[in-house]
Amino acid sequence: AQSVTQLGSHVSVSEGALVLLRCNYSSSVPPYLFWYVQYPNQGLQLLLKYTTGATLVKGINGFEAEFKKSETSFHLTKPSAHMSDAAEYFCAVSFTGANSKLTFGKGITLSVRP
Amino acid sequence: GAVVSQHPSRVICKSGTSVKIECRSLDFQATTMFWYRQFPKQSLMLMATSNEGSKATYEQGVEKDKFLINHASLTLSTLTVTSAHPEDSSFYICSARDPQRGAWETQYFGPGTRLLVL
Repeated sequence: AQSVTQLGSHVSVSEGALVLLRCNYSSSVPPYLFWYVQYPNQGLQLLLKYTTGATLVKGINGFEAEFKKSETSFHLTKPSAHMSDAAEYFCAVSFTGANSKLTFGKGITLSVRP
Repeated sequence: GAVVSQHPSRVICKSGTSVKIECRSLDFQATTMFWYRQFPKQSLMLMATSNEGSKATYEQGVEKDKFLINHASLTLSTLTVTSAHPEDSSFYICSARDPQRGAWETQYFGPGTRLLVL
């Protein structure tokens, strides 16, 4: 069985500061890893994903994440936070196979202080 | 590209009535769609997987007769909440895969439907 752990429920940073949102996964097979962002009362938007190949993945809005197999982690980072980054962030895992499902972490709320 | 819409965006209904939520893939054909439920401040819980032309596959604990899913075409899946009760109030989100893009593992999400049952 696969699972995702996002420690903590809320992260607050100052505008311009580094954003680091942690995600650890558990999977018995090579995982596919995703970060999604959700703004209030909206659906989810894909930020980035890792399937195979380069372990450092760049996404939209200046976000990137690094897949570290030895640490079973896929932490999301952004060098400089913007006010518009305030949202809910979900890490998710699936695996190869057309019928695979996404398993989501519980999400982290990012607040950005002026 | 890969836009998914949902209708309605918000619905309020009386207890005991049925509510239908539509999920459409606007610029691609989706052989597989997914329905999720999200409670306030919580994560998304997969309710069912909907495959075009076949019966939906429900997750454990989801009542099939309560949440009817129909995927009659490659661009439309519907979720009907039958005899809705206040505990069914939630945010329902659908997603779809676009196999033509070659990235079958990626799901594209709709904007969600807020259901409030009085």
